[in-house]
Amino acid sequence: ETGVTQTPRHLVMGMTNKKSLKCEQHLGHNAMYWYKQSAKKPLELMFVYNFKEQTENNSVPSRFSPECPNSSHLFLHLHTLQPEDSALYLCASSQDQGGGTYEQYFGPGTRLTVT
Amino acid sequence: GEDVEQSLFLSVREGDSSVINCTYTDSSSTYLYWYKQEPGAGLQLLTYIFSNMDMKQDQRLTVLLNKKDKHLSLRIADTQTGDSAIYFCAEKDGNTGKLIFGQGTTLQVKP
Repeated sequence: ETGVTQTPRHLVMGMTNKKSLKCEQHLGHNAMYWYKQSAKKPLELMFVYNFKEQTENNSVPSRFSPECPNSSHLFLHLHTLQPEDSALYLCASSQDQGGGTYEQYFGPGTRLTVT
Repeated sequence: GEDVEQSLFLSVREGDSSVINCTYTDSSSTYLYWYKQEPGAGLQLLTYIFSNMDMKQDQRLTVLLNKKDKHLSLRIADTQTGDSAIYFCAEKDGNTGKLIFGQGTTLQVKP
């Protein structure tokens, strides 16, 4: 257990559905991250929040919409996804964002399949 | 842009040492990390090294850093079947603080 939980663990959705992924961290961290992990590709950073403010949007399509209501919770709202969006979505948190060591701790991920 | 490269697969026998290699391009890297991912799980931080260090040892794990060649390695002594997983190297960009990950090395440990 890393102190970062994600729900659901598995999700199958159609291209016209709307769903949300949830991440919660119990580590007292201030920074939270969404990553996409596709087969045979390096992890792709999607969004970063620090003290509830979005500090990074890595050119992610608008069909992915993040929300960070407080430092412990992070959501990823999904709508009108494409089959190529099928992947493992990983949430991570760290004490802060920036150049210090600030190790990132990952949740178990949500395996998303878009049909 | 920054790039992190790893070989994709390594197979060893139980009890042998494993060495997983990584190269990176970013000269401003401040920290370098090794993560482990078991099937169906997220990434688990194994260890990290500050860029001005050459070596770090933590029980069965030894990290070696050659900053001149931008080469990082992870040595696992007495490899066990439970060490079978994907191992990711990552470097932290000193300017942005972002982690740049390699593609991961799948370690297969044969009994």
